Amino acid sequence: DAGVIQSPRHEVTEMGQEVTLRCKPISGHNSLFWYRQTMMRGLELLIYFNNNVPIDDSGMPEDRFSAKMPNASFSTLKIQPSEPRDSAVYFCASSQPRLAGSSYEQYFGPGTRLTVT
Amino acid sequence: AQSVSQHNHHVILSEAASLELGCNYSYGGTVNLFWYVQYPGQHLQLLLKYFSGDPLVKGIKGFEAEFIKSKFSFNLRKPSVQWSDTAEYFCAVRGKTSYDKVIFGPGTSLSVIP
Repeated sequence: DAGVIQSPRHEVTEMGQEVTLRCKPISGHNSLFWYRQTMMRGLELLIYFNNNVPIDDSGMPEDRFSAKMPNASFSTLKIQPSEPRDSAVYFCASSQPRLAGSSYEQYFGPGTRLTVT
Repeated sequence: AQSVSQHNHHVILSEAASLELGCNYSYGGTVNLFWYVQYPGQHLQLLLKYFSGDPLVKGIKGFEAEFIKSKFSFNLRKPSVQWSDTAEYFCAVRGKTSYDKVIFGPGTSLSVIP
């Protein structure tokens, strides 16, 4: 398996522009998580989905952030309009269904490094 | 409240020294516990996990961790560190249902000096 795939790997944009980050989870995984990592705040969970349904979006910082999962193999995180304080590395992770005997750990993608100038 | 704390923010060791990173959690119910490692410039990778059974779990690269339920702890250990172990280490806890999110600790930065 190719693992969790994220695109783009790097994004540089100007303040006010719309940014869309993409994630393809591992096939067969039914949970998907979006995280943001910065030096100041560490690793923050933004939102997670189970079977394509958002379960907890309490970590989404404000209305400028939105996430969708239209199907089991694709998710997007959108920031509109972007601001310099959104600069961070955004990770997507996925995990297997909760089955008897499984510990359903998360598998992380390589991340998208976002810079908003 | 659900939370994970890690005892040290930054640890500096010489090669061959022994390592122990502390982790305590607060979470109602039974849990799965994890240690993830993030090498410089890379994404998080699973180091080891506790699901059930033997509370002493062994992971990759000589790491091990012990789950002490009475202390709500899951400390990470390695008898002899190498320069290549320089990384950020995250402790995490997750409940046992599919709808439980993962709670990560703030991370401990380990620097190993050759």
